[in-house]
Amino acid sequence: QKEVEQDPGPLSVPEGAIVSLNCTYSNSAFQYFMWYRQYSRKGPELLMYTYSSGNKEDGRFTAQVDKSSKYISLFIRDSQPSDSATYLCAMSAANDYKLSFGAGTTVTVRA
Amino acid sequence: GAVVSQHPSRVICKSGTSVKIECRSLDFQATTMFWYRQFPKQSLMLMATSNEGSKATYEQGVEKDKFLINHASLTLSTLTVTSAHPEDSSFYICSARQYNEQFFGPGTRLTVL
Repeated sequence: QKEVEQDPGPLSVPEGAIVSLNCTYSNSAFQYFMWYRQYSRKGPELLMYTYSSGNKEDGRFTAQVDKSSKYISLFIRDSQPSDSATYLCAMSAANDYKLSFGAGTTVTVRA
Repeated sequence: GAVVSQHPSRVICKSGTSVKIECRSLDFQATTMFWYRQFPKQSLMLMATSNEGSKATYEQGVEKDKFLINHASLTLSTLTVTSAHPEDSSFYICSARQYNEQFFGPGTRLTVL
């Protein structure tokens, strides 16, 4: 079993829809949770960073962390074609800066 | 946000040559940088952790004599792929740590002929 599980998709939604992305993890030591967006042939771009259970909102993006269930989510509201990319969840334990990544979910927003 | 650059963005070389890739944190100092490798349609695979002023820590299965890492300053880490072969062709990405966040460079696509 992988430490971090993420449905690779692909996920296709119409413009304006809400995109819902999820990851589960097995290592209870994970304390920091991140979502990255990666366009084709580019490096990952940090979208959201959280370190506690609950919600964090930034513009059209909302990250949720439920440590009791070992489950994290990213929601993208009012999705745009420019949101078409691969979204990677990543997490790390306290004082261990190595990231464990999910497989990445490829999202296509149709105009 | 913090900016990380990589150079070159793309390199094509002949088998047997060595290739150096630079990773720079442009607007912050990074005591720790990381080197990843990514194959098409796959997630990132950590190769090594680079700490300024000390030897890099390599992940299991990564040949340290083949992938030489130097972190000589707080803003620069280099990865040298020595005696490159076609199987080393890949997308190499670095990241730099600022507090508990990691910021990634744009990646370097290496093609070995």
